[in-house]
Amino acid sequence: SQKIEQNSEALNIQEGKTATLTCNYTNYSPAYLQWYRQDPGRGPVFLLLIRENEKEKRKERLKVTFDTTLKQSLFHITASQPADSATYLCALETGANNLFFGTGTRLTVIP
Amino acid sequence: DAGITQSPRHKVTETGTPVTLRCHQTENHRYMYWYRQDPGHGLRLIHYSYGVKDTDKGEVSDGYSVSRSKTEDFLLTLESATSSQTSVYFCAITSGEVDTQYFGPGTRLTVL
Repeated sequence: SQKIEQNSEALNIQEGKTATLTCNYTNYSPAYLQWYRQDPGRGPVFLLLIRENEKEKRKERLKVTFDTTLKQSLFHITASQPADSATYLCALETGANNLFFGTGTRLTVIP
Repeated sequence: DAGITQSPRHKVTETGTPVTLRCHQTENHRYMYWYRQDPGHGLRLIHYSYGVKDTDKGEVSDGYSVSRSKTEDFLLTLESATSSQTSVYFCAITSGEVDTQYFGPGTRLTVL
């Protein structure tokens, strides 16, 4: 069965630094991978999608990479701010218009 | 927000009672999903629908049933609630093009 590991349950970084979150997966080769942000008490919100033939995707201070050989995606937030504090989820497409979600990494940006 | 509402937002019920959660969308999207989210497990798919009266099971479907009689409504029913079904339930929709999902605000269900 599909398995996703997100590098750590919690990550603390200093404001202004770059946060790097890791998503590793097994047993499948997804056509694309997505990243979501979830704030406490709210539903996840879509951030970025990267396809298997794309190495990197950017959106403002966000960058996602996708290495299908390593079965890994990295999610970077540059110049991090306290407002970036949230839980970040990676999700793989599994076919049939379904997604399989990781358990998430809780990021705290310390002022 | 993507025009998704969930009701109720909070519910406390007792073991053995039936419970129905409702998801309503105003986007006319074809695909709708029900997930549950628990600490240490993340989001897990319960059931999904790919059209009116077209539904299928997800990863954790035991103890749950769904119905979709209209495009805009997707109902999740716990026939006989158990304490293990205490969770936060999220509904999501997608247009089906690239599977980007838009989530509702969630329903916190407590089964005593």
